[in-house]
Amino acid sequence: AQKVTQTQTSISVMEKTTVTMDCVYETQDSSYFLFWYKQTASGEIVFLIRQDSYKKENATVGHYSLNFQKPKSSIGLIITATQIEDSAVYFCAMRERGNSGTYQRFGTGTKLQVVP
Amino acid sequence: EAAVTQSPRNKVTVTGGNVTLSCRQTNSHNYMYWYRQDTGHGLRLIHYSYGAGNLQIGDVPDGYKATRTTQEDFFLLLELASPSQTSLYFCASSEGVQAPLFGEGTRLSVL
Repeated sequence: AQKVTQTQTSISVMEKTTVTMDCVYETQDSSYFLFWYKQTASGEIVFLIRQDSYKKENATVGHYSLNFQKPKSSIGLIITATQIEDSAVYFCAMRERGNSGTYQRFGTGTKLQVVP
Repeated sequence: EAAVTQSPRNKVTVTGGNVTLSCRQTNSHNYMYWYRQDTGHGLRLIHYSYGAGNLQIGDVPDGYKATRTTQEDFFLLLELASPSQTSLYFCASSEGVQAPLFGEGTRLSVL
């Protein structure tokens, strides 16, 4: 089975700074898809950004961007100009093929606290 | 508007009790999933389905049954609930390589 690892349990940053959250993965697939999600304090899980492994360009959506380092099996999430509202738990995930069908395998999450 | 709706939002039961968690999606997605979320473990897959009548086993299926009655409806059944099944449960739906859309979650307590 594939594996997704987030080693940072929690991070605290000052508002308006840039933060990077780490994620490493294991896969035998030559083509794969990586995702980042945000879970708010209310429990809502929201999709943020995706990286397709065959694309060389790092994905960017708003103030979220990815640092995709394929040789290192690493997909970091970068949040620039952080805001208080960015405080949440962030999950990295990979699309995995089961015996029949596909699903998402998640990391354990990183809790981000943005302080004034 | 795309949506995944879970019910109930909160449930308390006793050890040995029967519980059914319901999930409905209005997205015309083929895939539906049940995950549980526990501190230190992130989201772990219990069961998933890629269409009505189909069921696939996830990573933590023990003690859970599931049934996909229609393309829209996916149920998670705990027939003899145990305290270890106290958790936050999420249903999700997806299509192709798109990111799944998640429901709001069901908090289950087994006393």
